[in-house]
Amino acid sequence: DAGVIQSPRHEVTEMGQEVTLRCKPISGHNSLFWYRQTMMRGLELLIYFNNNVPIDDSGMPEDRFSAKMPNASFSTLKIQPSEPRDSAVYFCASSLEQGLDRYEQYFGPGTRLTVT
Amino acid sequence: DQQVKQNSPSLSVQEGRISILNCDYTNSMFDYFLWYKKYPAEGPTFLISISSIKDKNEDGRFTVFLNKSAKHLSLHIVPSQPGDSAVYFCAASGSSNTGKLIFGQGTTLQVKP
Repeated sequence: DAGVIQSPRHEVTEMGQEVTLRCKPISGHNSLFWYRQTMMRGLELLIYFNNNVPIDDSGMPEDRFSAKMPNASFSTLKIQPSEPRDSAVYFCASSLEQGLDRYEQYFGPGTRLTVT
Repeated sequence: DQQVKQNSPSLSVQEGRISILNCDYTNSMFDYFLWYKKYPAEGPTFLISISSIKDKNEDGRFTVFLNKSAKHLSLHIVPSQPGDSAVYFCAASGSSNTGKLIFGQGTTLQVKP
């Protein structure tokens, strides 16, 4: 298995532009998580899907952020318009929501976003 | 509101010695705890976990201790190796029967040869 795949790996954009981050979870996993990593707050959960349905989006910072999961093998995180304070590493993770396996999340390599 | 806190941003240890990474939490409803390890330019990977019904779990050189009364857990690495140099994240989950995890800020461990 290729693991969780994220694209792009790096994104540099100007303030005000739309940014779309993409994620392909591990095949067979039914939960998907989007995180943002910053020095101050560590890994923050932004949104969590189970069986393609958003379960908890309380971590989404504001209306500029949106996430979708149109099918079991693809999810997007969109920022529109982007701001310099959105600069961070964004991780996607997936897990199998079954027993204690639900706690072991498999992370992608992350997308490093820089907004100038 | 940081429910999971790792108060030491960094730790430096000599190879062969013990590394002790600490984590504190505030929510008494947390019932499962995990440690993840992260190398540069990679995503975090699962390392070891512990249920709230236990106070210790060991896996090779890695041992996690849980003190529920103090709402504190620690990760011990013995002996430490240069390859252990990474960022370590503590995470906790509540009794919601979901896979949602709350992560700490991370501690950067450097093991010197």
